Amino acid sequence: QSALTQPASVSGSPGQSITISCTGTSSDVGGYKYVSWYQQYPGKAPKLMIYEVSNRPSGISNRFSGSKSGNTASLTISGLQAEDEAHYYCSSYTSSNTWVFGGGTKLTVL
Amino acid sequence: QVQLVESGGGVVQPGRSLRLSCEASGFTFSSYGMHWVRQAPGKGLEWVAVISDDGNKKYYADSVKGRFTISRDKSKKTLYLQMNSLRAEDTAVYYCAKDSKIYSMDVWGQGTTVTVSS
Repeated sequence: QSALTQPASVSGSPGQSITISCTGTSSDVGGYKYVSWYQQYPGKAPKLMIYEVSNRPSGISNRFSGSKSGNTASLTISGLQAEDEAHYYCSSYTSSNTWVFGGGTKLTVL
Repeated sequence: QVQLVESGGGVVQPGRSLRLSCEASGFTFSSYGMHWVRQAPGKGLEWVAVISDDGNKKYYADSVKGRFTISRDKSKKTLYLQMNSLRAEDTAVYYCAKDSKIYSMDVWGQGTTVTVSS
């Protein structure tokens, strides 16, 4: 049950787009369409942003999008806004009927 | 509205036990699987355990297997996490989360803090 691999930090200016990668194995990310992404502000609970690789829950801005290729999933945030500054975590269902999270990525809006 | 409220956290000595609770409201509790997820101070999220909607299937992270037990009470609409043989590395904020039925966690509680220290 090794954690999925995410970059520790990414940054971008308002209006720009950024992409956060999430690399796993064929037993998790690569084997299923069940990759999800969560946003977390300091001291707050995580919030679901993307499920099943690319689907947005009701109320989530279409500036957030997800994709997957092989063992790597990606979260893209377009039209970056100051309020997007937070930590982002990917998660995947695994072949062991468990879940695994990525180490998290801190997004800084310059 | 849909809500999860955790309780039961506190300071406990290594080797001792603690039971966390998560009270659900605003949805049909017995129709959804439930998760526990934890976050050590300054660290990322770590999935801990999941229980099926009927309580018959339970799965655990390797780091807690054999020490933690997840359970649920349909009548009380409450999820539990029994934590035994606690270690310093179990120190974390523990969140309960509702399974979305599509392998993600769509509702989270506010978390309860567990500190394991002598």
